[in-house]
Amino acid sequence: DAGVIQSPRHEVTEMGQEVTLRCKPISGHDYLFWYRQTMMRGLELLIYFNNNVPIDDSGMPEDRFSAKMPNASFSTLKIQPSEPRDSAVYFCASKIGLEVGAQHFGDGTRLSIL
Amino acid sequence: QKEVEQNSGPLSVPEGAIASLNCTYSDRGSQSFFWYRQYSGKSPELIMSIYSNGDKEDGRFTAQLNKASQYVSLLIRDSQPSDSATYLCAVKAGGYQKVTFGTGTKLQVIP
Repeated sequence: DAGVIQSPRHEVTEMGQEVTLRCKPISGHDYLFWYRQTMMRGLELLIYFNNNVPIDDSGMPEDRFSAKMPNASFSTLKIQPSEPRDSAVYFCASKIGLEVGAQHFGDGTRLSIL
Repeated sequence: QKEVEQNSGPLSVPEGAIASLNCTYSDRGSQSFFWYRQYSGKSPELIMSIYSNGDKEDGRFTAQLNKASQYVSLLIRDSQPSDSATYLCAVKAGGYQKVTFGTGTKLQVIP
């Protein structure tokens, strides 16, 4: 079975540009998570969805960040406008059911804002 | 105080030795505890879950939980060079799906 698919794998863009990260969860999974990982702060939860509905977005750093899940097989994380401090690896993860730890992570998007 | 704290390492152990990775957490109401392994440039993968005080063994891995001391550890017996990775401790508190991660401990197993 295909795992969680993220695109692009790498993104380099200039400050002020809009960035859109994409995620396709594993088919049948009802939870989807967006994380950001940096050396200083580690892996931080930004937002998660259950059955396409955002449940907790308290980790979204500011209004420049937005996330959507229009259907069960697709989610986006958008940054507009982007800033150098947004540079990080962004992971999408999905899981099924209430078992909290059993998240399957995608390969991540390495984002660099110049 | 960080919610989940780990020594960043690197922790270096010789091949065949026991590697001991430690984690403390601040929320006494935490219910579920996890260890993830992350190879360099890769994504995290779940290797152990533990929910009650005591030890839980899975192959060469043993997770230990002490809720009174707010302490969770991971022991890796007969360490192999392929165990070299960063190990993330993660903790869930409350009734939702949010898991808080530590910043990870880098383990190096020396052949």
